[in-house]
Amino acid sequence: QVQLQESGPGPVRPSETLSLTCTVSGDSISTSRYYWGWIRQPPGKDFEWIGSVHYSGTTYYNPSLRSRVNIFVETSRSQFSLKLRSVTAADTAVYYCAREVGSGSYFNHWGQGTLVIVSA
Amino acid sequence: DIVMTQSPGTLSVSPGDRATLSCRASQSILNNLAWYQQKPGQAPRLLIYGASSRATGIPARFSGSGSGTEFTLTISSVQSEDFAVYHCQQYNRWPPLTFGGGTRVEIK
Repeated sequence: QVQLQESGPGPVRPSETLSLTCTVSGDSISTSRYYWGWIRQPPGKDFEWIGSVHYSGTTYYNPSLRSRVNIFVETSRSQFSLKLRSVTAADTAVYYCAREVGSGSYFNHWGQGTLVIVSA
Repeated sequence: DIVMTQSPGTLSVSPGDRATLSCRASQSILNNLAWYQQKPGQAPRLLIYGASSRATGIPARFSGSGSGTEFTLTISSVQSEDFAVYHCQQYNRWPPLTFGGGTRVEIK
């Protein structure tokens, strides 16, 4: 059974870069069928898809965040990571990593999520 | 972007009742729709994909239907563990992938 676990350094100050890592266990991150995605949920709001990455390095992003986002994969560590630049309070959210069944698809396994607070 | 609208916002039901949740897309998404269950502090769980296919390990009391712009998730007999928030997601026209705002199923 695949498991995903988000990790990160904690609170982030406005204008800084938010960095999170997702560690995948129980399955190979290099399986060609899957993409690996980041989704966030601000308090009391809807899920917002951020972007996804394939083990080959192919990425696609939400156009609303593309200018500030970078998602990359480290297959040797079975991890993929999110960097979100120039954060503001509006980026405060629970951030989830998830396994996507193909590109532009649904997510069949999710991590538990990690709350990231942007505050001075 | 395709806007997903869920109704009602909250559904109050008693254990054993039938629950019907709706999800509407702002344009046709064919059958490219998934449903998820979200409980506090837990990982969201995939219930349905392709509008009507149950994911692995999902009980038969959960069923999905619809195509185009109107979709329904039905819980035939609500169990205590089913009280949660349910979200729909479209994956027909992307980026971006988009989600609905959720329906909370609570105990009546």
